[in-house]
Amino acid sequence: AQSVSQHNHHVILSEAASLELGCNYSYGGTVNLFWYVQYPGQHLQLLLKYFSGDPLVKGIKGFEAEFIKSKFSFNLRKPSVQWSDTAEYFCAVSWTNAGKSTFGDGTTLTVKP
Amino acid sequence: DAEITQSPRHKITETGRQVTLACHQTWNHNNMFWYRQDLGHGLRLIHYSYGVQDTNKGEVSDGYSVSRSNTEDLPLTLESAASSQTSVYFCASSGDRSTQYFGPGTRLLVL
Repeated sequence: AQSVSQHNHHVILSEAASLELGCNYSYGGTVNLFWYVQYPGQHLQLLLKYFSGDPLVKGIKGFEAEFIKSKFSFNLRKPSVQWSDTAEYFCAVSWTNAGKSTFGDGTTLTVKP
Repeated sequence: DAEITQSPRHKITETGRQVTLACHQTWNHNNMFWYRQDLGHGLRLIHYSYGVQDTNKGEVSDGYSVSRSNTEDLPLTLESAASSQTSVYFCASSGDRSTQYFGPGTRLLVL
């Protein structure tokens, strides 16, 4: 069955620390990869996406993610986090071009000022 | 601007009642989805639709139904509400390449 795993359920960092959130999916083939963010009390919004091409993709607010096909991974990174990055982060994978995505369980990031 | 709206935003109901949550999108997307979000479970897919008159079950569809009579709307019905259905419900839509746009969510409490 298709599945998406996020390794960290809760991450706590101080401001200016570097961030890496892991995401792995169950098997290969053609995939579309996404990271969504949910700020407290808000709905999910797209942070960044990968469809094809350069495996290093840049998103909003200084986030980036790297697709490593051989490892079935799509890890999210940010060199220096801010208090405003406190949110829940979801990795999602779609194995079809216009269909449903499978979401990971989410990682709650708390950034201490 | 295109958007996706959900109503009501908050709902309290009693066990056994039928409840319908509305979802309306102006993106003109063919694909629409309903998820529930629970602590420790992330987002779980309830039902989805790839177009008018098309509906499909997701991983947690028991006790829920949807119908798609037009492109803009995908209402979610809880046939007989149960306490286990207390959750936050998100509707989403997508066009090409599966990027999903989410609504603001409906917080449902079943007493």
